[in-house]
Amino acid sequence: DTGVSQDPRHKITKRGQNVTFRCDPISEHNRLYWYRQTLGQGPEFLTYFQNEAQLEKSRLLSDRFSAERPKGSFSTLEIQRTEQGDSAMYLCASNQGRINEQFFGPGTRLTVL
Amino acid sequence: ELKVEQNPLFLSMQEGKNYTIYCNYSTTSDRLYWYRQDPGKSLESLFVLLSNGAVKQEGRLMASLDTKARLSTLHITAAVHDLSATYFCAVETRSTDKLIFGTGTRLQVFP
Repeated sequence: DTGVSQDPRHKITKRGQNVTFRCDPISEHNRLYWYRQTLGQGPEFLTYFQNEAQLEKSRLLSDRFSAERPKGSFSTLEIQRTEQGDSAMYLCASNQGRINEQFFGPGTRLTVL
Repeated sequence: ELKVEQNPLFLSMQEGKNYTIYCNYSTTSDRLYWYRQDPGKSLESLFVLLSNGAVKQEGRLMASLDTKARLSTLHITAAVHDLSATYFCAVETRSTDKLIFGTGTRLQVFP
């Protein structure tokens, strides 16, 4: 399968714990995006990378959130001291360059108890 | 700030009927996308609309774009149950590389 992959697909954690998600983009795609989707809402942009550089961060990305793409390939999104409000589907997408269609992964569903 | 609005938010329709979902956006757009999402699943790309007057059709779905009116429509012809899902439009602008999504339209098709 050469699509965008995300791991894990589901994560249940207790409030206050740290969690980390991984996204593997389509190979050779230099741009990688993270979105968050809460129940009943459309996805909201969190951040994106071009190669290893993080070029934009949404104000939704509080200081408890950190994203990396150390070698310009896969990316990780870490949430520290999780809160119940962090419960959502976290979607990753990738594309090749500007103004090209983004392809979405299956998402990671986070539930914070 | 770019805003994207869809209506209706919820649509319950009988099989065989036609209906249209509307997507309005507030600033100039480079591209407009339509996605389908089934419950608990990720986004499936349906259409990419690039220019004014663009029209694309796939099966019972047809999408169009009017950049002057900043309006896109998704028309459903002779609905079938398999079309039941949530449909999102999303806009990509020249000033940013992110997608701004609409609120979604939850479509339910019943016999």
